[in-house]
Amino acid sequence: QSALTQPASVSGSPGQSITISCTGTSSDVGGYNYVSWYQQHPGKAPKLMIYGVRNRPSGVSNRFSGSKSGNTASLTISGLQAEDEADYYCSSYTSTSTHVLFGGGTKLTVL
Amino acid sequence: QVQLQESGPGLVKPSQTLSLTCAVSGGFIHNDDYYWSWIRQPPGKDLEWIGYIFYSGATHYNPSLQSRITISVDTSKNHFSLKLNSVTAADTAVYYCARTRSGAHYFDYWGQGTLVTVSS
Repeated sequence: QSALTQPASVSGSPGQSITISCTGTSSDVGGYNYVSWYQQHPGKAPKLMIYGVRNRPSGVSNRFSGSKSGNTASLTISGLQAEDEADYYCSSYTSTSTHVLFGGGTKLTVL
Repeated sequence: QVQLQESGPGLVKPSQTLSLTCAVSGGFIHNDDYYWSWIRQPPGKDLEWIGYIFYSGATHYNPSLQSRITISVDTSKNHFSLKLNSVTAADTAVYYCARTRSGAHYFDYWGQGTLVTVSS
C-alpha cells in the first residue's frame, strides 16, 4: 500500500476534463507545498508536469493544472487528448524520515 | 539541456551487490540548487525513492533501504553512483537517476532508467 493514495484509474473522452486526487496526511501533502506530479508513458521515464502544488515547468501544456485542499492534492487535465493517456504519479515531501513519498499511480484512459 | 544516463549490470545474483552509475551532462553536479537522486520502480509497481546526494557528499536515504545502500558522488567525473548490497528478487526493478530541486523536493530531469534483474 502506497503512502499517498491515488485512484487506480480514471477515464475521459477527448475534450473533456478529468481530475486525479492524491491523498496524504498533515505530515506530507497537507503540511507542505511540495507536491509534484509526473506523467509516465509505457516504457518511458516519468516526466515532471507540476511542482510546488500548482507550478508548471516550461514546456508543459497549460491544460495541466494542480491544486491542494487540506491533505488532498489534485491534478486536473482539461481538453483531454489521446497523448495524455499515461500513468500519473503524485509525490510529496514528508517530515518523516522517509523524506519523499510517491502515490500508487493512476492510469488515465482517453476513451 | 541536462541529461542523465544510468549504466551498470542488468543482472545481479542474489546476495551480491548492485552497482549503478549516473552520468550527468549539460550541467554540473557541483551546484547548490540540486540534489541527485536514485528512484526505482519494480515491474508493474509504484515508484520508490531510494535516496539522494548533494555535491558535498551529504546524503539522505530511504529508511527502508538505509542499511543496504550507499550513494556516492564524483564531481570530477560529473557522475554519482548507487550501491545496494545483499540483493534479493524484491530488488528487481527499473532504476532511475534524477535531478532533485533542493528545498523544493521535485525531480525535474530523469534518466531513461535501467532494468536490473536479481536472479541466479
